[in-house]
Amino acid sequence: EAGVVQSPRYKIIEKKQPVAFWCNPISGHNTLYWYLQNLGQGPELLIRYENEEAVDDSQLPKDRFSAERLKGVDSTLKIQPAELGDSAVYLCASRFGAEAFFGQGTRLTVV
Amino acid sequence: SQQGEEDPQALSIQEGENATMNCSYKTSINNLQWYRQNSGRGLVHLILIRSNEREKHSGRLRVTLDTSKKSSSLLITASRAADTASYFCATDPSGGGNMLTFGGGTRLMVKP
Repeated sequence: EAGVVQSPRYKIIEKKQPVAFWCNPISGHNTLYWYLQNLGQGPELLIRYENEEAVDDSQLPKDRFSAERLKGVDSTLKIQPAELGDSAVYLCASRFGAEAFFGQGTRLTVV
Repeated sequence: SQQGEEDPQALSIQEGENATMNCSYKTSINNLQWYRQNSGRGLVHLILIRSNEREKHSGRLRVTLDTSKKSSSLLITASRAADTASYFCATDPSGGGNMLTFGGGTRLMVKP
């Protein structure tokens, strides 16, 4: 089992450009999370999916962020346009049961 | 927004000493979990304690939960340099759902 796979690992873009992150969760995990983590802080929930349904997206800045989870498996998180303040690590996690499994994250730098 | 707050924010100890980290949370919970994060990596699950449990052990880890005070502690005994990492508590709210909200973390450094 490969675990939760995220790509890319690193991304540097200029402000106002679009960017997309991809997450492949562990097979059979119904719950998928996207978190944002700033340096020295804990993960902050952006959106949670149960299968293909977004059940908690209250913290997602919907004017520039969007996410989808087609067929309840892979998920994509998009930012358009990116701002300097979006520089952070974006973590994806999946879950079936009590324990959540995290990917390595995508470190985004907006210049 | 973050559900939990860890204390201390940073902790530096010598190898062999015990490390204690505390977590406070705001709402009623189903369970509380502790995760570890090495620099530049994803989070790894360490241990889970349910709301009807008061103490749990796993190897060198001991977790306590006081639901009346809405607080938990994580004790790492006989620390090793490899324990150097950030430690986060996370909670699932009562009433169902897999919300999994994290605290701000404790950065632990274990000096050899």
